Amino acid sequence: GNSVTQMEGPVTLSEEAFLTINCTYTATGYPSLFWYVQYPGEGLQLLLKATKADDKGSNKGFEATYRKETTSFHLEKGSVQVSDSAVYFCALSAPGYGGATNKLIFGTGTLLAVQP
Amino acid sequence: KAGVTQTPRYLIKTRGQQVTLSCSPISGHRSVSWYQQTPGQGLQFLFEYFSETQRNKGNFPGRFSGRQFSNSRSEMNVSTLELGDSALYLCASSLVYRGQNTEAFFGQGTRLTVV
Repeated sequence: GNSVTQMEGPVTLSEEAFLTINCTYTATGYPSLFWYVQYPGEGLQLLLKATKADDKGSNKGFEATYRKETTSFHLEKGSVQVSDSAVYFCALSAPGYGGATNKLIFGTGTLLAVQP
Repeated sequence: KAGVTQTPRYLIKTRGQQVTLSCSPISGHRSVSWYQQTPGQGLQFLFEYFSETQRNKGNFPGRFSGRQFSNSRSEMNVSTLELGDSALYLCASSLVYRGQNTEAFFGQGTRLTVV
């Protein structure tokens, strides 16, 4: 079945450090890939997405490239800020037998803590 | 444009009771999905509705049910509550364009505590 694996946290970085959170997936067909962020006490916010191989999603300095050959969608940011501290979720959406579906399959989440 | 609205934000219920949670999607969004978030199991898909029809269902017992109204608002119901049902329940809405879903927008969730 479809699944997402992301690196365990917490990830603790100093401000302005480089961030990488690894995400790999298993899916039949051609899934869409997403990164969501969750701040304390909040719901999920879409950070970026990619819908086909070699697409690069980017937003607020974060980037991730859809790599079909390695089934990966790693999240990167060149210089993190304290305000980036949150839980980050990698997710995929794959068409079902009945066609389009909004079912998202999430990784376990990675807590990022950025220290000043 | 208003976001996804979930009510109530917090609920405390007793074992054996039932509960109904509500979700109002973004205007124009006809797909609504529900997720359960717990520390142990993470984010798990409950079900998805589109045009008042359940389009997909996760692996949850029949105590979990949902429905969608003609205005796309959705409710989920949990009957005979168990302690393990304590969780953050998240609703997401999505625009359907040319038969395909666009990205999902989430509400802030309803925090259910079963005592």
